[in-house]
Amino acid sequence: SAVISQKPSRDICQRGTSLTIQCQVDSQVTMMFWYRQQPGQSLTLIATANQGSEATYESGFVIDKFPISRPNLTFSTLTVSNMSPEDSSIYLCSVRRQSANYGYTFGSGTRLTVV
Amino acid sequence: GENVEQHPSTLSVQEGDSAVIKCTYSDSASNYFPWYKQELGKRPQLIIDIRSNVGEKKDQRIAVTLNKTAKHFSLHITETQPEDSAVYFCAAYSGGGADGLTFGKGTHLIIQP
Repeated sequence: SAVISQKPSRDICQRGTSLTIQCQVDSQVTMMFWYRQQPGQSLTLIATANQGSEATYESGFVIDKFPISRPNLTFSTLTVSNMSPEDSSIYLCSVRRQSANYGYTFGSGTRLTVV
Repeated sequence: GENVEQHPSTLSVQEGDSAVIKCTYSDSASNYFPWYKQELGKRPQLIIDIRSNVGEKKDQRIAVTLNKTAKHFSLHITETQPEDSAVYFCAAYSGGGADGLTFGKGTHLIIQP
């Protein structure tokens, strides 16, 4: 499976500021995704990061709040903008290889606390 | 879009006994169903998956069954061990315009020594 490096692993941020999270994969992957996992909760898909085009956002998530970049097939960033305490969560990058085996793999996550 | 329901939310079993976690899905187009194990502070790890053209899959002590007609799938863990204690998530993939996974709410499995 793909090896995913995600950073930072954790951060404590002031409300009103922004944080950019990076996801680097060890090989080219077709699909990259960003999920949010609120404390003690399940994973919710934020968006699909599309290489060379705008990300596809799920209901309840908007580009102004969660801008995403994907400049190539191995790298993506998620920015959490104008943060509030409600944004305190774990943010996870996920990838799926282009193969018959769907095999979704997750990064180690970024634990964000907004104060 | 897809909706995945997972039960129970907490499951406590004696070490050595079996554990069963059940999920239902809403989108009949869903064709891939993975199960993830997440230990405290760790990333979700894929433990087993099944595609819609298969009714059952087994990997040592872990098995998954799928009933497409009823739109439900289950995770079975036999001979449970303390290291099986974790949160387990089921998920479904329906493809089309939504390429990501839709997750159930998770089951906290507790193995009692």
